[in-house]
Amino acid sequence: GNSVTQMEGPVTLSEEAFLTINCTYTATGYPSLFWYVQYPGEGLQLLLKATKADDKGSNKGFEATYRKETTSFHLEKGSVQVSDSAVYFCALIYTGGGNKLTFGTGTQLKVEL
Amino acid sequence: GAGVSQTPSNKVTEKGKYVELRCDPISGHTALYWYRQSLGQGPEFLIYFQGTGAADDSGLPNDRFFAVRPEGSVSTLKIQRTERGDSAVYLCASSPRAGVGETQYFGPGTRLLVL
Repeated sequence: GNSVTQMEGPVTLSEEAFLTINCTYTATGYPSLFWYVQYPGEGLQLLLKATKADDKGSNKGFEATYRKETTSFHLEKGSVQVSDSAVYFCALIYTGGGNKLTFGTGTQLKVEL
Repeated sequence: GAGVSQTPSNKVTEKGKYVELRCDPISGHTALYWYRQSLGQGPEFLIYFQGTGAADDSGLPNDRFFAVRPEGSVSTLKIQRTERGDSAVYLCASSPRAGVGETQYFGPGTRLLVL
């Protein structure tokens, strides 16, 4: 079936460290891929997306590249800040999937001074 | 402009009771989605509307769950004979139209607790 697998958290980093959160997927057809973020006490927000292979989504210093050959969409940021502390969800919508998002279980990121 | 809004923000009920959860999508968005998020998990799809009709209700867990969108805007998720296992955050999202690449905009959720 169609699914998303994320690295388990929590991930704890010092401010200005490099961040990678791994995400791999299984899907039929050519899915669109998304990263959503959930800050403490807030709702889910779209962080970035990519709709076809080799596309790179980017926003707020975060990047992720749609790699069809490795079925991956890893989230990266060169220098994290305390304000990046949140739960990050990788998700996909697959062709013929009725436009519903399939989410991973989420990865909690904690950034400390 | 205004985002997706959901009411109530919190709902506490007793096992066996009936509850209604309301979602107001972003104005002009034709597609509306309901998801359920249990503690420590990612959201799980329940049902999706395109206009007034339910285009996909494959995620509804059983016939105690029902949703409507009579005028193609506001939607109500209805849960009959609630069970403790129904406790979760219920999320609503909307998008301008349905499509694989469309961004879904989420509301803040309704936290349901069934005692």
